[in-house]
Amino acid sequence: DAKTTQPTSMDCAEGRAANLPCNHSTISGNEYVYWYRQIHSQGPQYIIHGLKNNETNEMASLIITEDRKSSTLILPHATLRDTAVYYCIVRAWGGAQKLVFGQGTRLTINP
Amino acid sequence: NAGVTQTPKFRILKIGQSMTLQCAQDMNHNYMYWYRQDPGMGLKLIYYSVGAGITDKGEVPNGYNVSRSTTEDFPLRLELAAPSQTSVYFCASSGGQGNSPLHFGNGTRLTVT
Repeated sequence: DAKTTQPTSMDCAEGRAANLPCNHSTISGNEYVYWYRQIHSQGPQYIIHGLKNNETNEMASLIITEDRKSSTLILPHATLRDTAVYYCIVRAWGGAQKLVFGQGTRLTINP
Repeated sequence: NAGVTQTPKFRILKIGQSMTLQCAQDMNHNYMYWYRQDPGMGLKLIYYSVGAGITDKGEVPNGYNVSRSTTEDFPLRLELAAPSQTSVYFCASSGGQGNSPLHFGNGTRLTVT
């Protein structure tokens, strides 16, 4: 699976959009980009995933560049409850989802 | 719908003791996983299972054993606890479709002293 690079930490004001970048320059054609987050010491929570088209769900939007070498997770109106560690993971389709978690980005939402 | 349930939530073991971490899911998922998370680090895969009776090693399997006798349950066994196994353990499950996301339990915090 391709490696990912994320900033260690980010801050965002409450009510603003939080944009979390992720680089995955060695991604291959059959690999998807997944985002999970971990709030405090709870189990990670799935947010969204995509292959090459932009995706949106009730939690967030995922923007993947045309060359697929990077992506951005967007939380449109961040709240204090969005403070968490966000993990960007690249994984091929199919089979057991043996996800490799890096250290992620610690996002702090400030009042 | 309870999702993924882990027990116990906390446990303190002495070096050399044994214990089983329990994990159950009620979503009829084929795939189940055990991860550990050390302080300030990402999760590392210990073992996983693609269905009842089938298990395989992950990245850090040494010191652990698993079994999968039913679809619902995936216990993790520590035979001779060591301080290096102090960690938070997360169980997860996913469905049979290729991109099914993982559903995680809330973890078991284990301390070995």
